[in-house]
Order: sequence, then C-alpha cells, then structure tokens
Amino acid sequence: NAGVMQNPRHLVRRRGQEARLRCSPMKGHSHVYWYRQLPEEGLKFMVYLQKENIIDESGMPKERFSAEFPKEGPSILRIQQVVRGDSAAYFCASSPPGRVEEQYFGPGTRLTVT
Amino acid sequence: SQKIEQNSEALNIQEGKTATLTCNYTNYSPAYLQWYRQDPGRGPVFLLLIRENEKEKRKERLKVTFDTTLKQSLFHITASQPADSATYLCALDIGNSGYALNFGKGTSLLVTP
Repeated sequence: NAGVMQNPRHLVRRRGQEARLRCSPMKGHSHVYWYRQLPEEGLKFMVYLQKENIIDESGMPKERFSAEFPKEGPSILRIQQVVRGDSAAYFCASSPPGRVEEQYFGPGTRLTVT
Repeated sequence: SQKIEQNSEALNIQEGKTATLTCNYTNYSPAYLQWYRQDPGRGPVFLLLIRENEKEKRKERLKVTFDTTLKQSLFHITASQPADSATYLCALDIGNSGYALNFGKGTSLLVTP
C-alpha cells in the first residue's frame, strides 16, 4: 500500500507566478489535510478537505491560496502570485474514514520563491 | 498567543540510555497530544497519541506522559539505539477540532554507539 504521494518534491517559482502542489492520499483514505512549515517554524494546519468539500480552511491565508480535492484525481494546493514569504515546505496528510486523528504524512513539497 | 515549545538544543545520548524530550504549551486546551518522528527530507511519522484524560501511554520502548495542569508532555525512549536518531515533534489538537494540528519545532536526538 503506497503511502501519501506528493509532487513535485521541489518547486521553484519566481515572484508573481503560480504554484500548484499535488497530493495523492493513501488508498482508502477520504480525508486530506495540508500543512505549511515556514523556515525555523513548526508545521501549521492550513486546510482539511474531503472529496469535493472543504471542511475547514481556518488555517489558510485569506488571499492567493486555495485548495481542492476533486472527485477524481489528487488534491491540489494552489498559490497564486507567489511572494518570497511563501517559500516553505508544504506537507499533505491523509486519514482513513472516521479516524481524523490518525494522519499519515507525505514527504512534502519544498517551494522556493526567487 | 499560542505556543508549543520543545528543547531547541539537540539531545546527544549514548546508546542504551533513556532519552527524555519535553513539550510545553501555552494557550491551548488540547483534547489530545501527539508525538511524531521526522527524518531529514521526509514527512512526520506518527508515533503516539495521548488524550487529555490519560496520564501515561506506552508503546514498546516509547512512553509519553501528559500533564494538563503543567501543560507539559514528556516523551521517553528507553534503551535508545542509533536508529532512534531523528527529530521528534510534538503536535497539539487545535481547539478540540479532532484533526487540526499545530506542531512544535522539534528536538533533534542523536544516539551514539
């Protein structure tokens, strides 16, 4: 059973470009979470999604950031018009139905904004 | 403001000894607390969860305590091995959501033969 997959592992974008980060949850998992780890900080919750629904986006910046988890395909975290402060590691986690505390993390995407 | 504090200095111990890591928090009322292990370039790996009404939890060589009065958790690895060398993260449930976690910065553990 493959773990949580994230791609790309490393992403370099220039200021003003868009970044798209992908996450494929573990097989059978219906909950997806995104976390951000800024330099010298701990991971912080951003958003919780189920298929076609955003359940809680209280940790997501109000502007430029969006997330989706379509019926088919991976979850996408989208950052529009990136700025240097968006440089961070973005981790995706998934959990099985009914067990939201049991989160399995992917390897992360390291975003660098130049 | 909410804070999760872990020892910022790396912990170096000799193989076979017990490693003890500390997690202190302020302005949280977590329903549970978790400990994770993270290796360089990898995502966190879940180790243990302890709920607010539990004082202690064990799993093989790992032991976690949770004192909601002191707002502190201690994480112990007994009979430590070089393979235990990693960064250990403490994570708290935010606002009793049951799913939203915030993590401390982690403590780096190095176990030498």
